[in-house]
Amino acid sequence: DVKVTQSSRYLVKRTGEKVFLECVQDMDHENMFWYRQDPGLGLRLIYFSYDVKMKEKGDIPEGYSVSREKKERFSLILESASTNQTSMYLCASSTPTSGRGTDTQYFGPGTRLTVL
Amino acid sequence: GDSVTQMEGPVTLSEEAFLTINCTYTATGYPSLFWYVQYPGEGLQLLLKATKADDKGSNKGFEATYRKETTSFHLEKGSVQVSDSAVYFCALSLETSGSRLTFGEGTQLTVNP
Repeated sequence: DVKVTQSSRYLVKRTGEKVFLECVQDMDHENMFWYRQDPGLGLRLIYFSYDVKMKEKGDIPEGYSVSREKKERFSLILESASTNQTSMYLCASSTPTSGRGTDTQYFGPGTRLTVL
Repeated sequence: GDSVTQMEGPVTLSEEAFLTINCTYTATGYPSLFWYVQYPGEGLQLLLKATKADDKGSNKGFEATYRKETTSFHLEKGSVQVSDSAVYFCALSLETSGSRLTFGEGTQLTVNP
C-alpha cells in the first residue's frame, strides 16, 4: 500500500514564525502536491512538483514556498506565518498512468496548523 | 476556469436510506472525474473515478456515471451504512493540466442508526 506521511498531525505557531511542513511518500511517485483544506472551500492547490527540484505554483501560492530535494520528500514552507494561514494542510502523491490526468492521488493524514 | 460544484451539505440520512450527492463541473476540455472520501481524522482516499463520457465508476456499493451532456458525475448508493459517514469530494483533472485536481467544496454525510 502507498503510504504518505506528514511530520505532524497538529501544530501551533506564532505569527511571524517560519514553519516547515514535511511530507514523505514511500512509493517512488514522481508527482507530489500540497493542498490546504478549509470548510466550504474544499481543497485548494498551493504548490506541486513533477520531479526532484521541480516546483509549480498552484492556485494559492502566495505566502508559501516549497522544496523538493529528494524524490520522496516534499516540504511546504510558510516564510512568515500569519493567522489567515490557519488551516488543514494535506500532502498527496501520484504517479503518471497511461492517460494524462487519470492518475489517483494518495493523501497523507493532514497537519492541522494553528497560527496565533 | 475549470470548476466543480457539489450539492450543499450537510446531508443526514438514516441507515439503509438511498444516497445521492450531486456534482456538476465546468471544464474547457474532456476531464477525468473522481470522487474522494475523507473519513473522520484521516486524509482523502479515492472512492471511484471515470475517465471518459458514459463510464461508470463503482466501489463499496457507490456508483457514479460520467454524463457529458449534463456535465455531471452524481454519487449514489442504494443503502447507506453508519460507516459511510464522511466528507465526500468531487474532483476533476484535465489531460492538459497533468495530474492537477480541482475539487468541489465537499459534502458532509452523517448516517444515523
